[in-house]
Amino acid sequence: EVQLVESGGDLVQPGGSLRLSCAASGFIFSTYDMHWVRQVTGKGLEWVSGAGTTGDTYYPGSVKGRFTISRENAKNSLYLQMNSLRAGDTGVYYCARGEKVGGKNYWYFVLWGRGTLVTVSS
Amino acid sequence: DIVMTQSPDSLAVSLGERATINCKSSQSVLDSSINKNYLAWFQQKPGQPPKLLFYWASTRESGVPDRFSGSGSGTDFTLSISSLQAEDVAVYYCQQYYDTPVTFGQGTRLEIK
Repeated sequence: EVQLVESGGDLVQPGGSLRLSCAASGFIFSTYDMHWVRQVTGKGLEWVSGAGTTGDTYYPGSVKGRFTISRENAKNSLYLQMNSLRAGDTGVYYCARGEKVGGKNYWYFVLWGRGTLVTVSS
Repeated sequence: DIVMTQSPDSLAVSLGERATINCKSSQSVLDSSINKNYLAWFQQKPGQPPKLLFYWASTRESGVPDRFSGSGSGTDFTLSISSLQAEDVAVYYCQQYYDTPVTFGQGTRLEIK
């Protein structure tokens, strides 16, 4: 079955760190760009990082320097290391797969995980 | 960053009636070399991840009912539901993937009148 399963969400104090994981199955993980998208509680969607197939990484300004995305193709796994966490980082973090058309990767998301909840609070 | 602005923020439509949601990007998301708009639409129901409805602005994802349609080009896009069903109650988002960072609209909440 083609799926993504996130884990690692927890309650953490402001300024703390957390590492999220995403286990992929049912497709050739190494050939797809992979992403993290978050949803602050009760609000909209925000893309927070992307990892290309060649190891390149991408971030929006809101998390650049605090979050690090990485992938381990041999384990079909994606990670998000989050440091210097703030209350505004609280929300559900989704792992999502970019799509591949004609061998080229595009960043719209068909496949999503169920999400993992991160709560930043003292 | 490309800013995506949806209108309205919320919408109440009677069952069987047409629903229309608009999305405007702060700059064009059209790649004129391939004549494709880098615009996707998602539906999200409570407690679920977003579900892709359309990509390239108007290409319907497999399994999406044909009462849903996507249109527009450049900076102005529309998601329409021709005959609203009860199961269409959800929040709808547009997303541009023309440039990094990819960005989403703020969402439009669709309810039954």
